[in-house]
Amino acid sequence: SQTIHQWPATLVQPVGSPLSLECTVEGTSNPNLYWYRQAAGRGLQLLFYSVGIGQISSEVPQNLSASRPQDRQFILSSKKLLLSDSGFYLCAWSALSGGGNEQFFGPGTRLTVL
Amino acid sequence: AQSVTQPDIHITVSEGASLELRCNYSYGATPYLFWYVQSPGQGLQLLLKYFSGDTLVQGIKGFEAEFKRSQSSFNLRKPSVHWSDAAEYFCAVGARTGFQKLVFGTGTRLLVSP
Repeated sequence: SQTIHQWPATLVQPVGSPLSLECTVEGTSNPNLYWYRQAAGRGLQLLFYSVGIGQISSEVPQNLSASRPQDRQFILSSKKLLLSDSGFYLCAWSALSGGGNEQFFGPGTRLTVL
Repeated sequence: AQSVTQPDIHITVSEGASLELRCNYSYGATPYLFWYVQSPGQGLQLLLKYFSGDTLVQGIKGFEAEFKRSQSSFNLRKPSVHWSDAAEYFCAVGARTGFQKLVFGTGTRLLVSP
């Protein structure tokens, strides 16, 4: 069966520090991968998605970037964190074939920027 | 572009009572429709999905949802709520063509009173 991992689970970082959040998927090949941010009371905002290694699409211009160095690895990064980057970050995957396939979510990373 | 409205931010239901969470969408055709549930500090779990066919969809944990094309709605229901159902519920829509991004509503937080 497929599983999705995220780490770290929680992170407290000072403003201006770098960020690296990692997401890995097991049990599937060539998944679509997604990064979402969830701010309190605001639902899920899609940040990036990827259909393959090295292929990244950005949904919202911001202080963050994403990379996909391996088929089942998706990384969210920042060179200098802002207070507004605080939130709950969720990684998700879906099957590559066709449309309408549901997305499966990881457990999330709670990021607090102080 | 598709959009999703969940008009109720919070709903409180007594344990054992019935539940209906509202979801309205805007899309040029019939989209793919999903309901997810999120417990505090956790990722999202898929409850049910509508792709085609029978407009009454059964999901996990005793939930069901009905797609009503004329009302552009996909309301979630449960006949008898349990205390463990307290969580946040998200409705989502996905396009039938093109890349399979999902658009999420802002969520409804369900509180269950004894």
